[in-house]
Formats: sequence, structure tokens, C-alpha cells
Amino acid sequence: GENVEQHPSTLSVQEGDSAVIKCTYSDSASNYFPWYKQELGKGPQLIIDIRSNVGEKKDQRIAVTLNKTAKHFSLHITETQPEDSAVYFCAALYTGNQFYFGTGTSLTVIP
Amino acid sequence: DTGVSQNPRHKITKRGQNVTFRCDPISEHNRLYWYRQTLGQGPEFLTYFQNEAQLEKSRLLSDRFSAERPKGSFSTLEIQRTEQGDSAMYLCASSRFSDTQYFGPGTRLTVL
Repeated sequence: GENVEQHPSTLSVQEGDSAVIKCTYSDSASNYFPWYKQELGKGPQLIIDIRSNVGEKKDQRIAVTLNKTAKHFSLHITETQPEDSAVYFCAALYTGNQFYFGTGTSLTVIP
Repeated sequence: DTGVSQNPRHKITKRGQNVTFRCDPISEHNRLYWYRQTLGQGPEFLTYFQNEAQLEKSRLLSDRFSAERPKGSFSTLEIQRTEQGDSAMYLCASSRFSDTQYFGPGTRLTVL
């Protein structure tokens, strides 16, 4: 079926450590995979995205990797800071121009 | 660039009442999306406009829900005969040609 699985659902790391969140998707035709950060009471904010013609993309402390063969992609945050604490969602663009979102990962960075 | 705006931010209504939400997308964005988000879940696609044309609707979208984008700019989402199960955050997003979507702050609906 159409879904995006996201793991873990909660993640706690010490400040300065790295955090990794993984997602898998089912539609082999998907070619666009954004990641969003959502703080309490706010809408999701796009932090990074990747298209299927590349395997990795980096923006300062944030990177995303994509494995199209295995149909999974991951978010990597290095040198985590307390302000990185939020809920992170992955998404995949499926056939029909519909986005399907993961169930979210609540990240807590412990000072 | 003022971002996507949504009004109202919060709405409390009684079961059976009708409610309408508004979304103003980023200027010149031709695509507009509505999503519903419940606690602990990711946004769930409801419907999508390209300019004024409604191109996709989720099969999960009840016939009590209707959306319009009459001039290809702002959009409204109406829920008729609200039910307690409609309580959620309703999110709007817009994009310009590309896939990149930008979300608004959402409208939180509580049905009593």
C-alpha cells in the first residue's frame, strides 16, 4: 500500500552527538523526498530535500542520503544543539502528485 | 515573501456546525495543498489545486469536506456538519511548479 515508515519514533541524544532518522517508502516511482521539522503549535518547516537523481545532499549540519534500490532515505544531523529538539517528518512524493508522510520522530537534544 | 498564512489559527465549534478555513499561499505559487494532522501523526493529504483547478482529492475525504480556490490565489476549506472526529490541525501548503512545498502555521479545530 501507499505508506512511508519512519524510525525511530523517539530519539534522545546528548548535545554535540549525531542523530539519524530513517524512512522507507513503497512506491518505486517516487522521485522526491523532503524532510520537515515541526515545533509545537507550528506548521512543518522544510529543512532539506533530495531528488532521486542524487544519492546524498548536505546543508551545513544536516544531510540526507537516498538508496533508491532499497527504497529508503535517512536524515543525519551532526553536532546537535538544543534548538534541534522538535518532531521531524519525512515524506515521499507518490504517483498522482500526492505526498505521504512518515509518522514523525520526536528528537530531544539533552544539554 | 510573507509565507503561507492561515486563518483562523484556532477554531472551537459544536458538533453539527459548519466551519470554514482560509489559506493564503505564497504569492505566485500556483499549487496549493490541504492536509489534516492529528496528534502524533504526520500530515495526511486531503486535496490539491493547481491554479483554480482541483486536481486531486484523497479518497479518505468525506463528502462533508469541500475546498475551493476560485481565483487561483487563496483557498477555503469547508467542513459541514462537523463531527468530533474532525478535530485536528488543518494545514495548508503551497509550491511554485516544483515539488517543494511550504506549509502554513495551520488551523487547529476542536469539535465539542
